[in-house]
Amino acid sequence: AQSVTQPDIHITVSEGASLELRCNYSYGATPYLFWYVQSPGQGLQLLLKYFSGDTLVQGIKGFEAEFKRSQSSFNLRKPSVHWSDAAEYFCAVGNNAGNMLTFGGGTRLMVKP
Amino acid sequence: GAVVSQHPSWVICKSGTSVKIECRSLDFQATTMFWYRQFPKQSLMLMATSNEGSKATYEQGVEKDKFLINHASLTLSTLTVTSAHPEDSSFYICSARDPLSSGSSNEQFFGPGTRLTVL
Repeated sequence: AQSVTQPDIHITVSEGASLELRCNYSYGATPYLFWYVQSPGQGLQLLLKYFSGDTLVQGIKGFEAEFKRSQSSFNLRKPSVHWSDAAEYFCAVGNNAGNMLTFGGGTRLMVKP
Repeated sequence: GAVVSQHPSWVICKSGTSVKIECRSLDFQATTMFWYRQFPKQSLMLMATSNEGSKATYEQGVEKDKFLINHASLTLSTLTVTSAHPEDSSFYICSARDPLSSGSSNEQFFGPGTRLTVL
């Protein structure tokens, strides 16, 4: 069975500081990995995805993530956080059949001015 | 492209009534749609997978007679919460796969969600 763990429930960073959100997954084959962002009361917006190729993936809004197979991780990073980045972030893993998108518990990011 | 809409965005109903939520793919045909449930401050839990023209596949623990899913066309899936009770209050989110654009990347496009409150 596939699973995703986001160890940090809440993270607070100062505006302009760097950010790293952790994601660890468990999957028996090559995973399809995603990061989504959710603003309060809204649906999910895809930030970036990985399924093959370069292990460093660039996404929207200045985010990037690095797939590390040896560590079963897919951490999300941003060099300089903006106040508008405050939201809930979800890491997800999917299988190659197009179904079974499993989400982590989410990390709530707060940004201090 | 790849826009998914949901209607209504929020609904309040009395206990015992049924509520229908629509999920539409606006600019693509979605052979597969998914329904998720999200409790406050929690993650999304997959409820069921809906394939056009066939019966939905429900996840373990989800009552198929309570959460009726219909995927009668390539652009519309509906979730009906029958005989709703306060414990059914939640945020319901649908997603859809576009087999032409997602290819092997397995990407799902998400709707904005529907907040259901059962009094």
